[in-house]
Amino acid sequence: GAGVSQTPSNKVTEKGKYVELRCDPISGHTALYWYRQSLGQGPEFLIYFQGTGAADDSGLPNDRFFAVRPEGSVSTLKIQRTERGDSAVYLCASSSPDSGNTIYFGEGSWLTVV
Amino acid sequence: AQSVTQLGSHVSVSEGALVLLRCNYSSSVPPYLFWYVQYPNQGLQLLLKYTSAATLVKGINGFEAEFKKSETSFHLTKPSAHMSDAAEYFCAVSGSGAGSYQLTFGKGTKLSVIP
Repeated sequence: GAGVSQTPSNKVTEKGKYVELRCDPISGHTALYWYRQSLGQGPEFLIYFQGTGAADDSGLPNDRFFAVRPEGSVSTLKIQRTERGDSAVYLCASSSPDSGNTIYFGEGSWLTVV
Repeated sequence: AQSVTQLGSHVSVSEGALVLLRCNYSSSVPPYLFWYVQYPNQGLQLLLKYTSAATLVKGINGFEAEFKKSETSFHLTKPSAHMSDAAEYFCAVSGSGAGSYQLTFGKGTKLSVIP
């Protein structure tokens, strides 16, 4: 597609529920990233995929967070047993050597845990 | 490890006045530096980036930034502010080479433009 697409754009869930956030990167981009932006803060790195594998997941805050990219394109960020502190905007981004490795961001998924 | 400090969480300028948004970084390796802009309810858009070529970098919408290694700074400027520049601006740093994928962002500076 023309840009990084994220769904849903907004999600309200109850504490303790399971949530999935989807990211469709720019076509042909091999690298995919997830960042989290809390209110009043800059984005924080969560995980980086190169192809299908997670090359660096050091930013995932705990084992309730997990992300997959089974076919090297679309990625899903999964959050188990959500907590109110998980409320944030989850940003997906992608890049490619062909575009100078510039990281392009989607509009984000706003997650609110009540 | 890298970090970014943006001085001033909120900056107000008059339309037509100089815009100066400050960013200082620390990095244990030669850095790549970036400025992103975020308009309300939109994603981050890259304004400009420094990747060890020219120290004065020109970006979109008339913005530019100068990399000053001695001052560990990468301040963003624009000679004349427009109303459409009102947004939040984020400075970010990454390592070069193999570490270039992980951006560390500052907390952002919200720019208001007064008519």
